[in-house]
Amino acid sequence: DAGVTQSPTHLIKTRGQQVTLRCSPKSGHDTVSWYQQALGQGPQFIFQYYEEEERQRGNFPDRFSGHQFPNYSSELNVNALLLGDSALYLCASSRVGESNYGYTFGSGTRLTVV
Amino acid sequence: DQQVKQNSPSLSVQEGRISILNCDYTNSMFDYFLWYKKYPAEGPTFLISISSIKDKNEDGRFTVFLNKSAKHLSLHIVPSQPGDSAVYFCAALFGNEKLTFGTGTRLTIIP
Repeated sequence: DAGVTQSPTHLIKTRGQQVTLRCSPKSGHDTVSWYQQALGQGPQFIFQYYEEEERQRGNFPDRFSGHQFPNYSSELNVNALLLGDSALYLCASSRVGESNYGYTFGSGTRLTVV
Repeated sequence: DQQVKQNSPSLSVQEGRISILNCDYTNSMFDYFLWYKKYPAEGPTFLISISSIKDKNEDGRFTVFLNKSAKHLSLHIVPSQPGDSAVYFCAALFGNEKLTFGTGTRLTIIP
């Protein structure tokens, strides 16, 4: 049973460019959340998707947007990249109403903005 | 506004001894607390959780204690093993929504 799959694993982009990160949730999960983890920090919540809609959003600018597809997979898009966007981006999935049992995280996408 | 705090960035413990990792929180509305373990180049892995209406939850070598009056929780690992060396994150959940993480504690088990 595959867990959460994220692609790509590493990415280098230039300041001002746009990037798309992808996530396939664990089988049976219908809710996808995205987190940003800067070096030396804990993961910070970006947003959560359920039934193809953004359910909740953290304190991130509109440059960060997302999408969830009918098969529950999700994309995170970041426009007008800044150097400060360099971080590990984590996708987590869960089944609605069961997140207290622990989200399942992917291994993340390491984004470097130069 | 750091609602979940892990004040010890690192901890070293002898193999076989008890490891105690601490976490403090400020938001009394949190209804679940979770501990995650993270190895380099991997995503966080769920370890154990506790409801805010409980004061203790145990799973094998891992026990989490919650002191609501002090807004404090701790993770006990007994006995500590070399494979326990990792970064441990405390996280809190409100209403089955977003996880709020602490900054993590790097645990090193000394053989």
